Amino acid sequence: GENVEQHPSTLSVQEGDSAVIKCTYSDSASNYFPWYKQELGKGPQLIIDIRSNVGEKKDQRIAVTLNKTAKHFSLHITETQPEDSAVYFCAASSTGNQFYFGTGTSLTVIP
Amino acid sequence: GAVVSQHPSWVICKSGTSVKIECRSLDFQATTMFWYRQFPKQSLMLMATSNEGSKATYEQGVEKDKFLINHASLTLSTLTVTSAHPEDSSFYICSASQGVEKLFFGSGTQLSVL
Repeated sequence: GENVEQHPSTLSVQEGDSAVIKCTYSDSASNYFPWYKQELGKGPQLIIDIRSNVGEKKDQRIAVTLNKTAKHFSLHITETQPEDSAVYFCAASSTGNQFYFGTGTSLTVIP
Repeated sequence: GAVVSQHPSWVICKSGTSVKIECRSLDFQATTMFWYRQFPKQSLMLMATSNEGSKATYEQGVEKDKFLINHASLTLSTLTVTSAHPEDSSFYICSASQGVEKLFFGSGTQLSVL
């Protein structure tokens, strides 16, 4: 089955700096890669996703890149703000119905 | 985006009692719902996949008699933790599929068993 690894597990950045979270996957059939943000005591919320026919996608301060050959994808947050502090999960799916999650990254943005 | 409502958000119960958690898709029909368990600072652990009108599919190691799942309608799935014990204390999250690549999560339920 699919194995998704995520790094780093914790990340602290100064407000205004950029944050990068990286994930790798093992199943070459995976073709959909969403990213979720989970705030304390809440469920994960989809923030951005990318499909395997696209190399990069951007939505305001958030961007995701995908390297199919290397089987890795990354989340980039620019101009970080304190409200970006949360746990971020990457996921991979080949069917669009079954999702495999990374282990999460706890991001802290220091004011 | 679509809204998935999960209740209760927090429940405390005595050991030996049963607790029911509801997961509702408010503005869409969800043929498939998923239940996860999450320990502090860890990832989501898929417990079971629930399809409307059929028996849930449990992941390996998850006791189906302990965690009863009922997906009675296209908008409601319930997870009942039967005869709860302190080791069942955890954060439980549901998600609902609106279709391919459209997965939305509930807000989670923190269960504390005394």
